[in-house]
Amino acid sequence: GAVVSQHPSWVICKSGTSVKIECRSLDFQATTMFWYRQFPKQSLMLMATSNEGSKATYEQGVEKDKFLINHASLTLSTLTVTSAHPEDSSFYICSATLNTQSEAFFGQGTRLTVV
Amino acid sequence: AQTVTQSQPEMSVQEAETVTLSCTYDTSESDYYLFWYKQPPSRQMILVIRQEAYKQQNATENRFSVNFQKAAKSFSLKISDSQLGDAAMYFCATYRGQLTFGSGTQLTVLP
Repeated sequence: GAVVSQHPSWVICKSGTSVKIECRSLDFQATTMFWYRQFPKQSLMLMATSNEGSKATYEQGVEKDKFLINHASLTLSTLTVTSAHPEDSSFYICSATLNTQSEAFFGQGTRLTVV
Repeated sequence: AQTVTQSQPEMSVQEAETVTLSCTYDTSESDYYLFWYKQPPSRQMILVIRQEAYKQQNATENRFSVNFQKAAKSFSLKISDSQLGDAAMYFCATYRGQLTFGSGTQLTVLP
């Protein structure tokens, strides 16, 4: 299957700083990328959908000014958590699809801890 | 909007036995996809099996098979000859442009 690489795998940052997470499709061009947040023992919660070259579509309740998403190319999307606070600590996962008929391929996830 | 319900938060199975995980969903779409994903302790999401809604034949992947009942909007996963490596959280999902996940079933495999 196709490979999606997410970096970093884990990060610890100080409260008030910003953190950038990268999601790359390594062997295909992803028309759409998705960002999820997952709390322990819970399901994946969709945060936003991003299409290359256009603004991301955020789910209700997700602060677009706190979670900045940039989909600059067909192989790279980034999620920046701005002015991070301890409550932003979570597991963040990205996925990418080739088209609306294809399956989603997931990155390895990023564990963010804000101290 | 699509919703997915997994009514079994936890299940256990003896090694080499068979277990069935339940999933029901609701959608107004006629064309969609259904998936089962596995999330082991590493938290990497792994595709287990995929079903196109327009296909009546149930999908099968080695020891994994589904029972797809479109009219009943039911999509259960059967794992045969369970192995220790099957222990994980299993998520059922519908797909129509974006994935909608169920709450998950934690599967324990007993040696």
